[in-house]
Amino acid sequence: NAGVMQNPRHLVRRRGQEARLRCSPMKGHSHVYWYRQLPEEGLKFMVYLQKENIIDESGMPKERFSAEFPKEGPSILRIQQVVRGDSAAYFCASSPERIYNEQFFGPGTRLTVL
Amino acid sequence: AQSVTQLDSQVPVFEEAPVELRCNYSSSVSVYLFWYVQYPNQGLQLLLKYLSGSTLVKGINGFEAEFNKSQTSFHLRKPSVHISDTAEYFCAVSDPGSGNTGKLIFGQGTTLQVKP
Repeated sequence: NAGVMQNPRHLVRRRGQEARLRCSPMKGHSHVYWYRQLPEEGLKFMVYLQKENIIDESGMPKERFSAEFPKEGPSILRIQQVVRGDSAAYFCASSPERIYNEQFFGPGTRLTVL
Repeated sequence: AQSVTQLDSQVPVFEEAPVELRCNYSSSVSVYLFWYVQYPNQGLQLLLKYLSGSTLVKGINGFEAEFNKSQTSFHLRKPSVHISDTAEYFCAVSDPGSGNTGKLIFGQGTTLQVKP
């Protein structure tokens, strides 16, 4: 059973460009969480999604950030008009249905904004 | 709101010595508690978790942690560390109360540096 997959592993963008981060959960998992890790800090919750639904986006910045988890395909975290402060590692975690407290993390996408 | 404090940002220790990484959380009626390990440039791996039951929890790689409700602590211990234990360790909490979405609240992390 393959683990949580994230791509790309490294992403470089210039200020003002868009960044798209993808997360494929483990097989059979329908719950996805996104976390952001700024340099020298712990992980901060951003958003929690189930298939086709955003359940909790209390950690998402109000502007430029959006997330989706379509019926088919990976979950996408989208950052529009990136700024240097968006440089961070973005981790995705997935969870089996009905077992909310067993999260499996992907290797992360390291975003660098020039 | 729930919060987690890891009291030590760095813990240097010699190989084969015991180690304790401290974690305290803000009070709540009930919580789920976790320790994760992150090796350089990798994702997080679950070491152990406390959901209910026995307050002493055993995890992978010889680690264990003790849930102390009165002190709101969940310290991680290992009796004898190896060089390969050098990594970043994160304590996390989840609130299983009504409306819980399972989101994890993380501490700042503790860097364990094992020296030969």
